[in-house]
Amino acid sequence: GQQLNQSPQSMFIQEGEDVSMNCTSSSIFNTWLWYKQDPGEGPVLLIALYKAGELTSNGRLTAQFGITRKDSFLNISASIPSDVGIYFCAATPPQGGSEKLVFGKGTKLTVNP
Amino acid sequence: EAGVAQSPRYKIIEKRQSVAFWCNPISGHATLYWYQQILGQGPKLLIQFQNNGVVDDSQLPKDRFSAERLKGVDSTLKIQPAKLEDSAVYLCASSLDWATNEKLFFGSGTQLSVL
Repeated sequence: GQQLNQSPQSMFIQEGEDVSMNCTSSSIFNTWLWYKQDPGEGPVLLIALYKAGELTSNGRLTAQFGITRKDSFLNISASIPSDVGIYFCAATPPQGGSEKLVFGKGTKLTVNP
Repeated sequence: EAGVAQSPRYKIIEKRQSVAFWCNPISGHATLYWYQQILGQGPKLLIQFQNNGVVDDSQLPKDRFSAERLKGVDSTLKIQPAKLEDSAVYLCASSLDWATNEKLFFGSGTQLSVL
């Protein structure tokens, strides 16, 4: 089945540093999404990407839909302590709607003040 | 705007017991999803409803799991009997429409521990 390989698995950074994480697959996807999950909460949508090559920003967050449609990255600039959490990529394949949404295993981010 | 409501937040049961989870989606959202999230993993779809009909339940272990959304609004997910490997967070999510909108809004989840 379609799998998303998310890396790195975890990151430990200092406050103020920039962060980059990515998601790759051997399959093509039509939509890429990035979610953040805080402890004890459900994932919250950060950015949605719908077109190959699309680069979208949301405050300090920037994400891109890879040209090959097989990957995406998320950058966080000037990290702050509240950026701590688990970041998930998710994607939908060309066939089907949101019932086909696949999640990566997440990148756990720790920010040291 | 109220978010997706789930209850209970936590549940501890012994194996072979039954358990039920409840979800109330965002008002006006036609599509409701139940996900299972095992520790250290991303969410995995169990079942998806469009109004009160099932869109996809291909990953639902139907011998022990059941779900319903009788009036097309709130939903219940049941496990009977529970196994140790069912220990996970059960997340409910909703979206406006499954065909055109992948933007899911998640509830806080129910953390289930099966002893």
